[in-house]
Amino acid sequence: DTAVSQTPKYLVTQMGNDKSIKCEQNLGHDTMYWYKQDSKKFLKIMFSYNNKELIINETVPNRFSPKSPDKAHLNLHINSLELGDSAVYFCASSQESGSRDEQFFGPGTRLTVL
Amino acid sequence: AQTVTQSQPEMSVQEAETVTLSCTYDTSESDYYLFWYKQPPSRQMILVIRQEAYKQQNATENRFSVNFQKAAKSFSLKISDSQLGDAAMYFCAYRSDLTGNQFYFGTGTSLTVIP
Repeated sequence: DTAVSQTPKYLVTQMGNDKSIKCEQNLGHDTMYWYKQDSKKFLKIMFSYNNKELIINETVPNRFSPKSPDKAHLNLHINSLELGDSAVYFCASSQESGSRDEQFFGPGTRLTVL
Repeated sequence: AQTVTQSQPEMSVQEAETVTLSCTYDTSESDYYLFWYKQPPSRQMILVIRQEAYKQQNATENRFSVNFQKAAKSFSLKISDSQLGDAAMYFCAYRSDLTGNQFYFGTGTSLTVIP
């Protein structure tokens, strides 16, 4: 009965490869997010989707492409991986309006690019 | 955009003692929500406590309480009777009531608990 799940939890890959991280939430929330946490633990918002529509798109290389097939899923695809992409990526979800809900986070995916 | 500032990158506390983590934010809104999240070494982000800006009473959750000063735009977290399991990164976060799907996080405070 995990609220927000991500797969995989660990991902080790070579520079130049393409990889995807999947996220699913079973909370019925209408908004989902991707964050990047670097080695200094800074949390940086990358994308946000509300009911499958992109609403936040921070300055992120276009090698990163989010895809939301439905409001319970938000996947992150990364092309041509670079060393600087190594980080922990968190998926999160929340309810937009009429709610005091906090963001619920997935367990994170530690991406290591060699 | 709103900004959230945590001015203490690192803090330490003796076991069983009390520690206060600082957080300030910048906003022109009157209605919003504030949160403290804990991130232990397991890296899971866990909500510690939340505060609605329209409530004057400070939120409390067991050993965790906040000092919410709306005029000063300050939202500090007090941990009483610190335990070894409290060692973690703590993040302060702001959520607008107007644009409810946007959250702003501080840079975090790393808390060490000394046995």
